[in-house]
Amino acid sequence: NAGVTQTPKFRILKIGQSMTLQCTQDMNHNYMYWYRQDPGMGLKLIYYSVGAGITDKGEVPNGYNVSRSTTEDFPLRLELAAPSQTSVYFCASSYSQQGNQPQHFGDGTRLSIL
Amino acid sequence: AQSVTQLGSHVSVSEGALVLLRCNYSSSVPPYLFWYVQYPNQGLQLLLKYTSAATLVKGINGFEAEFKKSETSFHLTKPSAHMSDAAEYFCAVSALSGTYKYIFGTGTRLKVLA
Repeated sequence: NAGVTQTPKFRILKIGQSMTLQCTQDMNHNYMYWYRQDPGMGLKLIYYSVGAGITDKGEVPNGYNVSRSTTEDFPLRLELAAPSQTSVYFCASSYSQQGNQPQHFGDGTRLSIL
Repeated sequence: AQSVTQLGSHVSVSEGALVLLRCNYSSSVPPYLFWYVQYPNQGLQLLLKYTSAATLVKGINGFEAEFKKSETSFHLTKPSAHMSDAAEYFCAVSALSGTYKYIFGTGTRLKVLA
């Protein structure tokens, strides 16, 4: 059972560089989410998607972009990396957006911007 | 709008002692409530969820939580702590606000002392 898979697990970027964080799920979930986790701050929603071709902003979308061309994949792009984007990024998916559905998380991407 | 507050960012207990992690929520509509656990370098895993079927919810690894509407609380307990319970625990609330919004608490790191 792969569940939600994120790559890479770790990455160091220089200020101004760009990169794409990959996320794929094999549970045929329509709903997918990107969060960032900062110490003592819990999880903040960056973007989410309710299905292929449909994305929307979360709480902290600035500096990020997403796309959803397939049900399985939901990549997150950083165009111009800034030190404030140093964080741990989690991708999650859920069967539906009904409130009683739990979210399934990947193991995260630890990103440092220097 | 809903919110969730976890009291105590760090909790230490002795092995074999009671574990009590506190979560209070705010919601203008009936909420769904969740507890997740995060082990080092991993994503969040669902421990248990409250979906209005029963106020006392049993989860994995011997954890349980009780929904108390009058106190707007959903505290997580385990009768006897084990060393393997050391992790970070997140409470989350989901409630209908246009669409369902999923809000995470800031987390409580549990340390188990030998």
